Amino acid sequence: GESVGLHLPTLSVQEGDNSIINCAYSNSASDYFIWYKQESGKGPQFIIDIRSNMDKRQGQRVTVLLNKTVKHLSLQIAATQPGDSAVYFCAENSGGGADGLTFGKGTHLIIQP
Amino acid sequence: DTEVTQTPKHLVMGMTNKKSLKCEQHMGHRAMYWYKQKAKKPPELMFVYSYEKLSINESVPSRFSPECPNSSLLNLHLHALQPEDSALYLCASSRTGPDSNQPQHFGDGTRLSIL
Repeated sequence: GESVGLHLPTLSVQEGDNSIINCAYSNSASDYFIWYKQESGKGPQFIIDIRSNMDKRQGQRVTVLLNKTVKHLSLQIAATQPGDSAVYFCAENSGGGADGLTFGKGTHLIIQP
Repeated sequence: DTEVTQTPKHLVMGMTNKKSLKCEQHMGHRAMYWYKQKAKKPPELMFVYSYEKLSINESVPSRFSPECPNSSLLNLHLHALQPEDSALYLCASSRTGPDSNQPQHFGDGTRLSIL
């Protein structure tokens, strides 16, 4: 079936460096994408979202890029900090309105001191 | 702190027990969700409620019974669960409306262990 996937299960970066987390999706009908951060013992925390009529959106220290041609989504985190260590999930919604999300496999981001 | 509150945080129950998980939000969201998350896996959708009515059931076994008594509360009633049902159960809520894509906000979950 169609699913959202991630290329790298674990990503280790030096504190202060930029990190890029990638996500591939296969449902061409998906029109809304969200990145979540999940720390140990916590629920997923909303980071940033993007609609399919956009290709880039920026937040505080984070940028999401959407390439609909190759069905690819990425999350860029600038100047990583120890608190950025977590599992990051991309999620897609193809139904609009109140619909469930389909999550990717997740990437564990490790920040090295 | 999350604006979606789930209780209890931890629950251990036997396979013959009946228990309930509770979720509450006061953000005025009219869509609420239950997800199941196994260790080192992404959340998987179980149920969606929209305006207090069940709109999506992802072929969840009947031993899981959701209930939405009002727009702020969502329950998940558990009965005769199996050991493989041990997982983190996450509740989420979002604004809703026709053609509106809104982020879902999650609680910190109930960690359920079935003996």
